[in-house]
Amino acid sequence: SYVLTQPPSISVAPGKTATITCGGNRIGSKSVHWYQQKAGQAPVLVIYYSRERPSGIPDRFSGSNSGNTATLTISRVEAGDEGDYYCQVWDDGTEHVEFGGGTKLTVL
Amino acid sequence: QLQMQESGPGLVKPSETLSLTCIVSGGSISSNYYWAWIRQPPGKGLEWIGSMYYSGRRYYKSSLKSRVTISVDTSNNHFSLELSSVTATDTAMYYCARHVPGRDYFDSWGQGTLVTVSS
Repeated sequence: SYVLTQPPSISVAPGKTATITCGGNRIGSKSVHWYQQKAGQAPVLVIYYSRERPSGIPDRFSGSNSGNTATLTISRVEAGDEGDYYCQVWDDGTEHVEFGGGTKLTVL
Repeated sequence: QLQMQESGPGLVKPSETLSLTCIVSGGSISSNYYWAWIRQPPGKGLEWIGSMYYSGRRYYKSSLKSRVTISVDTSNNHFSLELSSVTATDTAMYYCARHVPGRDYFDSWGQGTLVTVSS
């Protein structure tokens, strides 16, 4: 199976930039999608096709993808950005959806 | 705006079959999307179970394939999950979601329903 590796947690002060990585073998050749899940809620799509934002998602959220690492960047972090973030890909080889293990973002 | 709502028993006995339904409103289940089930054990990450196109094409997670059936009811605009021979490890929040064509991302999710497997 295709493995996606995320750091379990990161902490960022308000107003600073949060960077969440998602590692995978040649992930730069895949489309990566990112979800935000706040406590007790369903996940919400925040980035699709590695760098596109759905309507209603602030432009503070951005994505990039190259080589073996995809990155979700949250600029000017706010308290309301706290939650778990998951990356996701479709693996053509196994015809499976794969999720990363998730990263818990704490706003200090 | 599309809305999705899961329903089904919150408690299932070990070895029995878990059955859930996702009612879709604000859009047709016969449109060009896949319909998916995803679960999340308490305190853990997301696990894709499978996705199905309304016309019948299905993708299931390999490790669950022998126990999973996803079906679509176009007449009533809902789709369903059956997971047989459940054990405590199947205890999770179960989400239904719309899976964008090309087997890519999930752009709409239900609120989730907690299923506990216990005698």
